[in-house]
This record gives sequence, structure tokens and C-alpha cells, in this order.
Amino acid sequence: QVQLQESGPGLVKPSQTLSLTCTVSGGSISSGGYYWTWIRQHPGKGLEWIGYIYNSGSTYYNSSLKSRITISIDTSKNQFSLKLSSVTAADTAVYYCARGYYYDSSGYYSAPNYWGQGTLVTVSS
Amino acid sequence: EIVLTQSPATLSLSPGERATLSCRASQSVSRYLAWYRQKPGQAPRLLIYDASNRATGIPARFSGSGSGTDFTLTISSLEPEDFAVYYCQQCSNWPQTFGQGTKVEIK
Repeated sequence: QVQLQESGPGLVKPSQTLSLTCTVSGGSISSGGYYWTWIRQHPGKGLEWIGYIYNSGSTYYNSSLKSRITISIDTSKNQFSLKLSSVTAADTAVYYCARGYYYDSSGYYSAPNYWGQGTLVTVSS
Repeated sequence: EIVLTQSPATLSLSPGERATLSCRASQSVSRYLAWYRQKPGQAPRLLIYDASNRATGIPARFSGSGSGTDFTLTISSLEPEDFAVYYCQQCSNWPQTFGQGTKVEIK
């Protein structure tokens, strides 16, 4: 059973960089056919997709956040990470990491079916 | 970006009743529509994928239907754990987008 666990600071100051790591257990992040994604949820609000990464390191970001996001992968540690720069109070949210699968031949992408428990990040001075 | 609109915003029902939730897409997503249940303080849990397929371990009281732009999640008989918020998500186009949620509350 694949499990994902987010970790990182729960408090970040405005204008600084938010950094989170997702540690994967019960499966290898190097396995093909999966995408590893970050999704956030503002307090009391809906869900917003941030971006994803393949085991190859290729990424795709939400255009609304693209200029501030970096998602990376460390296969040796079975982890992938999110960096969001120049944060403001509007970036206060619960951040989830998740995994979905895809079929390259057909361009099919599944809904993420494994999620971490989420971590609250508050942006405040 | 595809916009998903869920209705109603809130559904007030009693345990054992049938719940019908709707999700409408701003353009066709074929059958690439998923449903999640989110309990307070928890991550969303995948219930239905590709419009009508139950995810692993999801009980048969959950069913999904629809294609194109109009989709429905039906819970045949509400259990206590089903009082939660439900989200639809489209996986047809990037960025993947979510509806704003339907809260199923105890009447």
C-alpha cells in the first residue's frame, strides 16, 4: 500500500519561500507510469491543483502559479518536493501531495488515488 | 481552464436517505470525471473515477453516471460517515480542476 507524507515548516514569513517535501513509502517513486502531484486547499475552501512531476523530472505547473513554483524529485530518497517563492497570506493553505497514474500511449491521466494527510502552511510575519 | 460547477451547495438529508449530487463542466470532459469525499480534517478520498468506476474499497452504495458535461454522484442510502463534503474533479485537460464542493449535512 503506497503512503505519502508531507513535511515542512508550518509557518513561513511573507516574501519568503515555502518548501515542502513528500516522502513516499510502500512503492518506488522511480516506477514509471505515475505522476506525483501537489494540490492545496485554502482554509474552508475548495481544492487547487499546483503541479506535477514524473520520475524523469519533467514537470507541469498550474499557469496561475507557474512563475513561483518549482517541483523536484529525489529518487534516491523516494521524495518529491515543492518550492513556492514570494509567498503572501493568500498562499496560506493545507498542502497535499498525491499520486496518480497515466498511460503515455493514450494520454490518459487518472485522478490521484493516493494522497498524503496534508500539512497546513500559514504565511504570517 | 475547465470550470466545474457543483449543485446544490448544501444537501440536508437524514441517514438512510438517498443523495444525488451534480457536477457540470464548462466544456466536455468526456468521461474523465472523478468524485471525492472529504471528512473534516482529512484528505479527500477518491470514490469514483472515469465517471462511473468505483475506486478500490468503495462500497456499492456509491455510484456515478454521466458523460460530456453533466455528471451525477448518487449515494443510495446515507451512512453516518457520508455526511461530509464532496468534490468532483476533471482529468480531461490540464490543469486538472475541481468543483467548489457539495456539503451533505444531517437534517
